[in-house]
Amino acid sequence: GAVVSQHPSRVICKSGTSVKIECRSLDFQATTMFWYRQFPKQSLMLMATSNEGSKATYEQGVEKDKFLINHASLTLSTLTVTSAHPEDSSFYICSALPGLAGVDNEQFFGPGTRLTVL
Amino acid sequence: AQKVTQAQTEISVVEKEDVTLDCVYETRDTTYYLFWYKQPPSGELVFLIRRNSFDEQNEISGRYSWNFQKSTSSFNFTITASQVVDSAVYFCALSERNQGGKLIFGQGTELSVKP
Repeated sequence: GAVVSQHPSRVICKSGTSVKIECRSLDFQATTMFWYRQFPKQSLMLMATSNEGSKATYEQGVEKDKFLINHASLTLSTLTVTSAHPEDSSFYICSALPGLAGVDNEQFFGPGTRLTVL
Repeated sequence: AQKVTQAQTEISVVEKEDVTLDCVYETRDTTYYLFWYKQPPSGELVFLIRRNSFDEQNEISGRYSWNFQKSTSSFNFTITASQVVDSAVYFCALSERNQGGKLIFGQGTELSVKP
């Protein structure tokens, strides 16, 4: 089956630093990847849609200058949390869409990255 | 606008009981997809089922079954003879065909199965 990896799985950083999270599709190509954020005891909220070779599309209320997304290849998307603050502490999950969006819309999720900002 | 509502925040049952998790959705699109995911304490989402809007057949997979009713915009999930390993948060999600694959998740239902 389709596998998506995320690295790192867990990261602790100091306030003010930047953190990069990688999302890779291991056995398929994905023109579209998604980034979600999940706070404790809450649902997953879509942050942005990452499209290979073009700028990401951010959901309303998500600061694009704070959450930098780069989708440089068909198998890799990165999310950089810039100048992280404690309120950015969350569980970040990526997913990858192997086919054409709208065909069957099945996406495969990474295992998530738990970010803690001290 | 698209929306998914899981009215049950927490459910607690005793092992071997049957339990149904409710999911109600809203969409203006005629072509859409509904999903159920399981999220155990580890955090990784486990895909359970995908159903497109043109397929209203109910589905059974082992102890799991799903009831899709377009007339009531519901996609309920039943676990028969629940087990402790079923304890997790379960999410219902909706994806509209013209939204580029974006998933809208319900609030989730935390299921606790006690021995």
